[in-house]
Amino acid sequence: EVQLVESGGGLVQPGGSLRLSCAASGFTFSSYWMSWVRQAPGKGLEWVANIKQDGSEKYYVDSVKGRFTISRDNAKNSLYLQMNSLRAEDTAVYYCARDSYGLIWGQGTMVTVSS
Amino acid sequence: NFMLTQPHSVSESPGKTVTISCTRSSGSIASNYVQWYQQRPGSSPTTVIYEDNQRPSGVPDRFSGSIDSSSNSASLTISGLKTEDEADYYCQSYDSSNEVFGGGTKLTVL
Repeated sequence: EVQLVESGGGLVQPGGSLRLSCAASGFTFSSYWMSWVRQAPGKGLEWVANIKQDGSEKYYVDSVKGRFTISRDNAKNSLYLQMNSLRAEDTAVYYCARDSYGLIWGQGTMVTVSS
Repeated sequence: NFMLTQPHSVSESPGKTVTISCTRSSGSIASNYVQWYQQRPGSSPTTVIYEDNQRPSGVPDRFSGSIDSSSNSASLTISGLKTEDEADYYCQSYDSSNEVFGGGTKLTVL
């Protein structure tokens, strides 16, 4: 069974940093593109970033370019999102997702940016 | 970058058929696959249609997807509506460097 378990969310002040992790199991992690998608409270889904199987290609939504970094460790079956210079508008549930035949989603981790 | 536009909400009665549209603002709808996701309150999204019209295993055949190049749009059709279909539905597609979600459609089954 495919499982994606996010962790690392929490409350952070504006301008602060946070690192999200996603532990993958039940499939060959190194064979798939992976994505981060977020959902602000009461709002729709927003793609944040994705990364190729070997990490050689990474893409970001314009609003996070230069602030967020996606990475992966195939030996640890893990996906990461380093978030710096956080803003109030980054407040959201962040989902890790496997990209194949549509997205397969984790349960999400909440990030709240507030003073 | 392009946008995907969905109606904010639709409603229909149990047993009926409903169609949710997703219009691409620029670029051809046929140039990149469209996916559809269902999100029930308090839950993570799940895929109901991928690659325009393919259903993952476990998704009932009441769910179908299509694209229409003339209107540059994709559609999700749900037939034989059940109360359990009440949820938010999102379309999603991509281009060479971006993935884009539609704004979501709230389906009410009443």
